[in-house]
Amino acid sequence: NAGVTQTPKFQVLKTGQSMTLQCAQDMNHEYMSWYRQDPGMGLRLIHYSVGAGITDQGEVPNGYNVSRSTTEDFPLRLLSAAPSQTSVYFCASSYRTGFNEQFFGPGTRLTVL
Amino acid sequence: GQQVMQIPQYQHVQEGEDFTTYCNSSTTLSNIQWYKQRPGGHPVFLIQLVKSGEVKKQKRLTFQFGEAKKNSSLHITATQTTDVGTYFCAAPPRNGGSQGNLIFGKGTKLSVKP
Repeated sequence: NAGVTQTPKFQVLKTGQSMTLQCAQDMNHEYMSWYRQDPGMGLRLIHYSVGAGITDQGEVPNGYNVSRSTTEDFPLRLLSAAPSQTSVYFCASSYRTGFNEQFFGPGTRLTVL
Repeated sequence: GQQVMQIPQYQHVQEGEDFTTYCNSSTTLSNIQWYKQRPGGHPVFLIQLVKSGEVKKQKRLTFQFGEAKKNSSLHITATQTTDVGTYFCAAPPRNGGSQGNLIFGKGTKLSVKP
């Protein structure tokens, strides 16, 4: 099993550009989530999904959209990138609920100029 | 909102010294998880504690869950350079919620001087 995969690993955007961060898991996990990690701020939840077709907002959802058309994939869309979205983004999945062991992807390091 | 507070934020130790990080909550926790993130890496699950007063060991790492289930600690005996990284605790919110989202502490960053 590949576990949780994320692409790209690095990305540089200009302010106002849009892009999609990809996340996929091959463990048949129902629960998937997106976090951003900034220095001194820990892991902050952006959006999450408890199953295909179901998504909801986390702690810091503004400026991001998600969809979950399949169990495996959970892409994160930046609608109009801003410098404040410069961060490291992690996708995670877990069996059934988010209360279980979280499996994190390798992360995407995003810089917005 | 509910938070899990981790202290210290940073810890610098000499190789061979012990290290402890603490996770505290103002409310009772149903369980607590610990993760390790190596520099440049992603968080990796270490362990979950569920029972009051529970103690679990993984080689040089000892994890404890307080009797009141409001605090937890991770203790590393005789640190090695391979222990370098940030250690996070995480717990479900008090009200459980239907979403099942963990609340993460801000982490303790450990550096080890050889």
